[in-house]
Amino acid sequence: GAVVSQHPSWVICKSGTSVKIECRSLDFQATTMFWYRQFPKQSLMLMATSNEGSKATYEQGVEKDKFLINHASLTLSTLTVTSAHPEDSSFYICSAREQGLAGGPLYTDTQYFGPGTRLTVL
Amino acid sequence: AQSVTQPDIHITVSEGASLELRCNYSYGATPYLFWYVQSPGQGLQLLLKYFSGDTLVQGIKGFEAEFKRSQSSFNLRKPSVHWSDAAEYFCAVRLASGGSYIPTFGRGTSLIVHP
Repeated sequence: GAVVSQHPSWVICKSGTSVKIECRSLDFQATTMFWYRQFPKQSLMLMATSNEGSKATYEQGVEKDKFLINHASLTLSTLTVTSAHPEDSSFYICSAREQGLAGGPLYTDTQYFGPGTRLTVL
Repeated sequence: AQSVTQPDIHITVSEGASLELRCNYSYGATPYLFWYVQSPGQGLQLLLKYFSGDTLVQGIKGFEAEFKRSQSSFNLRKPSVHWSDAAEYFCAVRLASGGSYIPTFGRGTSLIVHP
């Protein structure tokens, strides 16, 4: 259980184009998903928190107009990199928060990560 | 401020040897603690987590971790390392209740396994 998928796993695009990355929780509902960016040999940098049915919360320094996030359902969040440039090339990872019922035997409150998307902008 | 420290950037061990990866945290309240592993070009896989109860937790792939409140540590251990364990390991900490439920990640420790 607790599987998160991402699509595509890699993408190459020309500078100025937009790229959409999908993140899906396959066997649980996730009211909250997260988008991270990871540079080589570095830790994850949280970009934004995506809440189902509401606007995403962006971390300081992340351009919300450039990185559009939509969390239209309890199992799907999308990240669109608009007008991509070479400096946007990176490894993007999403995660989904599995909660279960607070206080119940199945309570987990754990983030599960997708396999990541390698974006290369030429 | 809340922080997570993984003091070792790289750890090199021989296959079959024991392993301990260190993680220290600075939090003002009871934390939830996690260890994740990332293979090259992949996402993060949850190895184990500690919420409460027994301070020695067992995870997947033969890993275990011990929560030591007095030392603010949550070190990851494995008695015998396999070559397939070579990867990047991340410790993550978040508040158990109140405040932000978003975890803070350490910078990671790269495990190199020699045959």
